[in-house]
Amino acid sequence: SYELTQPPSVSVSPGQTASITCSGDKLGDKYACWYQRKTGQSPVLVIYQGTKRPSGIPERFSGSNSGNTATLTISGTQAMDEADYYCQAWDSSTAAVVFGGGTKLTVL
Amino acid sequence: QVQLQESGPGLVKPSQTLSLTCTVSGGSISSGTYYWSWIRQPAGKGLEWIGRIYTSGSTNYNPSLKSRVTISVDTSKNQFSLKLSSVTAADTAVYYCARGRGQQLGSGYYYSYMDVWGKGTTVTVSS
Repeated sequence: SYELTQPPSVSVSPGQTASITCSGDKLGDKYACWYQRKTGQSPVLVIYQGTKRPSGIPERFSGSNSGNTATLTISGTQAMDEADYYCQAWDSSTAAVVFGGGTKLTVL
Repeated sequence: QVQLQESGPGLVKPSQTLSLTCTVSGGSISSGTYYWSWIRQPAGKGLEWIGRIYTSGSTNYNPSLKSRVTISVDTSKNQFSLKLSSVTAADTAVYYCARGRGQQLGSGYYYSYMDVWGKGTTVTVSS
């Protein structure tokens, strides 16, 4: 089955840039999306179709993808961005949605 | 603005069937080319996709849960539902419903994402 791999944790200082990676076979062709889940809240879509931001998502969130890796970048990270982030893609071989294991972003 | 709300028993006994309903408000479940999905998250673990349904009735399920899962839709009530049979403690989780969209690319690849989520409901499997 298709697997997406994320680092368990990433730390960043306020105002700095945070990068969270997601790797999977030919992921760049699959246009991954990203969700933010804060404690006690439901997930929020922050990037879809690889690079697009839904309305209401701050411009500091951006996405890129190439080869086997998708990357979520948060520029000028704020304390409110501290959350778990999940990548997601579609596995055509099983016709199923697949999530990465999630990355806990800590803003120190 | 479309909103989703999960409902159902918060406690289910082992070996029984977990049943949840998601009510869609602020729009018709039949409008647009959306799919309707269930996702869960056990405490301390990541998100796990359970399955999805289109209002046509077409479904896709997580292969690891497929033998126990049924998702159905009732357009007259603007609801879709989840049934998970033969539950064990491992099925204890927060269950979310969500609206999704997907598109086939010219390259042959398909992408999908879920843009509206319910608040989630906690289901505990215990005797």
